[in-house]
Amino acid sequence: AQKITQTQPGMFVQEKEAVTLDCTYDTSDPSYGLFWYKQPSSGEMIFLIYQGSYDQQNATEGRYSLNFQKARKSANLVISASQLGDSAMYFCAMREGTTGRRALTFGSGTRLQVQP
Amino acid sequence: DAGVIQSPRHEVTEMGQEVTLRCKPISGHNSLFWYRQTMMRGLELLIYFNNNVPIDDSGMPEDRFSAKMPNASFSTLKIQPSEPRDSAVYFCASSRTGLAEAFFGQGTRLTVV
Repeated sequence: AQKITQTQPGMFVQEKEAVTLDCTYDTSDPSYGLFWYKQPSSGEMIFLIYQGSYDQQNATEGRYSLNFQKARKSANLVISASQLGDSAMYFCAMREGTTGRRALTFGSGTRLQVQP
Repeated sequence: DAGVIQSPRHEVTEMGQEVTLRCKPISGHNSLFWYRQTMMRGLELLIYFNNNVPIDDSGMPEDRFSAKMPNASFSTLKIQPSEPRDSAVYFCASSRTGLAEAFFGQGTRLTVV
């Protein structure tokens, strides 16, 4: 079964508008972390934001925020005031909290295109 | 900090040849991950080391793949013999206890012809 599901293969957004990229996850571990990475066309993987399963507040990093809804097992990424440089693939990932296990499991990604 | 360093950045090899990919993790990091990215399968974890010890190699596709981490500052992923279906981008990432995220190298684009 898929542990991380990203249902939007591609998204378009107008420059300066906000956009939400969806992510749902599946785990039975009470302790886990959720991550978003950005992969521009140059290919590198850039860490954007992290949310721990016990964190009470939604994580924010500049224009990025993570809408964490634990009961629904969703961890959507919200990008405010989109910029042309935000055009990239975005991956949601999860790390389950078993001691010693720190590998990330990735979703299939969402390609975001920001239009001028 | 120089970040995670992978070499080579690009590798083109003929089917049947041995290929060795190299990774230098960030100094002080004690976890190292090898991932493979393809269009069909996305980002897959191949193997993961903690304190130089392989913890989970269930993602290694078959016996043709092997990985080593002889010390805290170096790891290799070897494919012998290589096949065209091994063509992919191979990423190395590192992290450490107490740090949430993993930091990725630039990747090695492998093409097997």
